[in-house]
Amino acid sequence: EIVMTQSPATLSVSPGERATLSCRASQSIKSDLAWYQQKPGQAPRLLMFGASTRATGTPDRFSGGGSGTEFTLTISSLQSEDFAVYYCQQYNKWPPWTFGQGTKVEIK
Amino acid sequence: QVQLVESGGGVVQPGRSLRLSCAASGFTFSDYALHWVRQAPGKGLEWVAVVWYDGVNKYYTDSVKGRFTISRDNSKNTLYLQMDRLRSEDTAVYFCATGGFAHFDYWGQGSLVSVSS
Repeated sequence: EIVMTQSPATLSVSPGERATLSCRASQSIKSDLAWYQQKPGQAPRLLMFGASTRATGTPDRFSGGGSGTEFTLTISSLQSEDFAVYYCQQYNKWPPWTFGQGTKVEIK
Repeated sequence: QVQLVESGGGVVQPGRSLRLSCAASGFTFSDYALHWVRQAPGKGLEWVAVVWYDGVNKYYTDSVKGRFTISRDNSKNTLYLQMDRLRSEDTAVYFCATGGFAHFDYWGQGSLVSVSS
């Protein structure tokens, strides 16, 4: 099973600032990585796939990077609606499909 | 537009059974693999099970093998999760999701299953 590890657990950022979230895979997953955003009481929403491709409706202030075992999700200028929990997920080797434990982006 | 609507959750005693349903619309149901993903209270996301487009191939996470059964009825555009011998650690919101064998493009709103005596 591929283990996904996200850091930090919580990121405190002021509106308008840049946020960088990290995700590490326990073995190479090439670019088979997705990012999701989840707000309280809601289902997760797909943000990015293929490590760097925005899903339909994802604003261009979100960008993804990395390959192999190290990945990042960057939010260039945080808006109020971006404060949420973000999860990475690998789909290179399955089953199981595995998620990171999440990074909470909170208002500083 | 794609819609996935879960139902069937509730409070159940340990050792008992429950069946979740997920009604789908807005896409060609029989063309896609379908998944169940769960989230324990205050915790992260955990993939539970997948069923192939034709209902033949199925895979499960280790902790539910032998207790949960995923199935689908392509004539009714509905996905199911039969959960037997429930444990307290199965308490979670259960989401159905689709998108194939890679990332999960669409999610339902979730159905809460609470296992408690």
